[in-house]
Amino acid sequence: EVQLLESGGGLVQPGGSLRLSCVASGFSLSIYAMSWVRQAPGNGLEWVSAFSSGGTTYYADPVKGRFTISRDNSKNTLYLQMNSLGVEDTAVYYCARCLVGSSGWCNWFDPWGQGTLVTVSS
Amino acid sequence: DIQMTQSPSSLSASVGDRVTITCRASQSISSYLNWYQQKPGKAPKLLIYAASSLQSGVPSRFSGSGSGTDFTLTISSLQPEDFVAYYCQRSNSVPFTFGGGTKVEIK
Repeated sequence: EVQLLESGGGLVQPGGSLRLSCVASGFSLSIYAMSWVRQAPGNGLEWVSAFSSGGTTYYADPVKGRFTISRDNSKNTLYLQMNSLGVEDTAVYYCARCLVGSSGWCNWFDPWGQGTLVTVSS
Repeated sequence: DIQMTQSPSSLSASVGDRVTITCRASQSISSYLNWYQQKPGKAPKLLIYAASSLQSGVPSRFSGSGSGTDFTLTISSLQPEDFVAYYCQRSNSVPFTFGGGTKVEIK
């Protein structure tokens, strides 16, 4: 069964750092593009970052320069290193696998992990 | 960046009703449009990909249509488990923007 399991969330003070992990099972993470999506409490979904199968990284403007996405193929794990965290980064963070149709490199997200909550507060 | 406007933000309906949710892109995105369902406290689930393709295992009462800038998600006959939130998402280029969401509530 294809599954994603996130971990690493928690409470952190403003300006702090946190590293999220997303362990994939049932498929090889190295041949798929992957993404992180977040959802602030009571709000909608916001795309955060993506890692193409070839290793190219992409970021949403609000996190550019502060977050780093990476992958460890030997551990079948995706990471999101988050630095200089602010209260606006408080959210549930989901990882998701990218699937591809006739063209492109990340056409839709399936499946999603269960999410990990990051709370930035003093 | 291309913006995605989803409407309505909420709607009230009854079991058995036919409902339509719309998503409009600020410029053409061809058929790079997906729909997700999210139940409270759960991760989003893919319903429709590439504007009109039904994800495996999703009931046939869900359908999607549109191309270019205007898209719709239709639920032909609402079931009790369908009273949750729905999101559109574009995937033609980064950033992979989501619509603001639609909450379907019981009338």
